[in-house]
Order: sequence, then structure tokens, then C-alpha cells
Amino acid sequence: DAEITQSPRHKITETGRQVTLACHQTWNHNNMFWYRQDLGHGLRLIHYSYGVHDTNKGEVSDGYSVSRSNTEDLPLTLESAASSQTSVYFCASSESSLGAQYFGPGTRLLVL
Amino acid sequence: DQQVKQNSPSLSVQEGRISILNCDYTNSMFDYFLWYKKYPAEGPTFLISISSIKDKNEDGRFTVFLNKSAKHLSLHIVPSQPGDSAVYFCAPGAGNQFYFGTGTSLTVIP
Repeated sequence: DAEITQSPRHKITETGRQVTLACHQTWNHNNMFWYRQDLGHGLRLIHYSYGVHDTNKGEVSDGYSVSRSNTEDLPLTLESAASSQTSVYFCASSESSLGAQYFGPGTRLLVL
Repeated sequence: DQQVKQNSPSLSVQEGRISILNCDYTNSMFDYFLWYKKYPAEGPTFLISISSIKDKNEDGRFTVFLNKSAKHLSLHIVPSQPGDSAVYFCAPGAGNQFYFGTGTSLTVIP
């Protein structure tokens, strides 16, 4: 069965360190997304990609970057982790840009 | 400035009764509306959608209603079941982005 996975599921890091969260999907979807979920904010879009070598900024992209070298993966990098980036991160993919998105199980990140 | 609001953080309903979850938005450009369901420690799961050309969409026990003039949509679950206990997010979209509400935690009491 097709799926979308995220790793690690939990991560503790220190302020200033670079962190990369992995996202891998086997749906063969062109569209992939990264969100963060915080209390009082719902899910907010960080970055998204419509295909290989395509990346776009979302609502809360400052301090994050992504790269898309193949269809299956969209890693999210925190260049210099800050305590404000403590959150739960969700990756998603979809077949069409305005279609239903399939979400991964999430990565809980704690920045100390 | 949040474009999407779910003003009820929580809702409790007896099993078998109707659950009504509400969502208000401000952006008149939204033309596609999704509802997601989320269990603890899992990612959101797509539930049902509606486009702006419709005012109602039904899928089994789930019905979504859209009132464009009021910029309001609602999700009805009939009859509610204990397995429906979860957090529900509405997510209106336009262009190529969706904007999620803060969620409503539904508890269905057996």
C-alpha cells in the first residue's frame, strides 16, 4: 500500500543546530507540503513543492528550507534551530494542487 | 490575522445524536473547502470536501454545508459514533494553498 512516512518521529535539539526532517511518500504524487501545528494556530504551511526541483514558500517559511531532488522525498531543514520552532511538523502529499492531502504521522520537535 | 476560525474548541455529543461542527472564513477567494479528522499522535485524515459551486455535499454519515454569502461552512455527523471522537479541522483553499482552522475536539459519549 502507498504511504507517507516521516522520520524521526521525535527529535530534541539545541538552539543554533541544523536539523533536517525527512518525508518520504510512495503515492507518486507531484505535490508535497510541510506544515507545523501549534496550539491556537491549527496547521500552517511552511513550504510546498509541485514537482522535482520546484519549491515554494508558504505562510511561515522563515528559518526553513526544502529541496526536491526526486518525486518521493521532500526534506525540511531548519538552518539554525530556534526555540520558536518547537512544534509538531507534518508532511503531506496530494495528486492535485487543490485536492485532498495525505498526511504523514508527524514529527515532534523540541528545541532547547 | 487568521482567515479561518473554528470558534468552538470542543464539543460533546451523545452517541446517536447529531454533531455539528462550524467553520467561518474571511477570504472570499476561497473556492474549495476540505474537512480533516485527526486522532492523537497521527496525521490528519481527509474526510469530505465541497467546492464553491455547491452548497451541500454528502458522504454517508457526513454532510458538509457551505453558505458562501455568510462565509460559513459546517460539518454534520449523523448519527455520531464513539469512533468519531477526534479533532476536526476545516481547511478552505484557493489557488494552491489551504488554510487550516484551529480545530474542534469532538467527544462522542457512549
